[in-house]
Amino acid sequence: NAGVTQTPKFQVLKTGQSMTLQCAQDMNHEYMSWYRQDPGMGLRLIHYSVGAGITDQGEVPNGYNVSRSTTEDFPLRLLSAAPSQTSVYFCASSFSTDTQYFGPGTRLTVL
Amino acid sequence: AQRVTQPEKLLSVFKGAPVELKCNYSYSGSPELFWYVQYSRQRLQLLLRHISRESIKGFTADLNKGETSFHLKKPFAQEEDSAMYYCALRQTSGSRLTFGEGTQLTVNP
Repeated sequence: NAGVTQTPKFQVLKTGQSMTLQCAQDMNHEYMSWYRQDPGMGLRLIHYSVGAGITDQGEVPNGYNVSRSTTEDFPLRLLSAAPSQTSVYFCASSFSTDTQYFGPGTRLTVL
Repeated sequence: AQRVTQPEKLLSVFKGAPVELKCNYSYSGSPELFWYVQYSRQRLQLLLRHISRESIKGFTADLNKGETSFHLKKPFAQEEDSAMYYCALRQTSGSRLTFGEGTQLTVNP
């Protein structure tokens, strides 16, 4: 199993550009989530999904969209990138009450 | 709403010394507590969870409901323990994790 994979590893955007961060898992987990990691602020939940077709907002959802059309994939869309979205983004998945498995992260810089 | 607090952003100890990483939480129900660790250039991974009551890599953590704490302890720190440590809480009825701010542990030779 590849576990949780994320692409790209690094990305630089200009303010106002849009992009999609990809996340995939091959463990048949129903629960998937996106976090951003910022120094001194820990990991903050952006959006999460408890199954295909079901998504909900986390702690810091503004400026981000998600969809869950399949169990395996959970892409995160930045609609109009802002410098405040410079961060490291982690995707995670789990069975609902089990350990969360994290992807390797995407380091995003918005100029 | 639940909240997790790790009061120390940075913690530095010498090899062989005891180490304690503090974690306090606020939650009205009965939570499940975790410690996650991120070694340099590696992904975040589970270190231990309170319901397992196990020792992983010499680390233990006891849930103290009276003090609402879940401190991580190791009697003799090793250089390879240097990493970022996150305490996390999950409601018993849900899947969402709430993370603390993280503590960067450095173990000096």
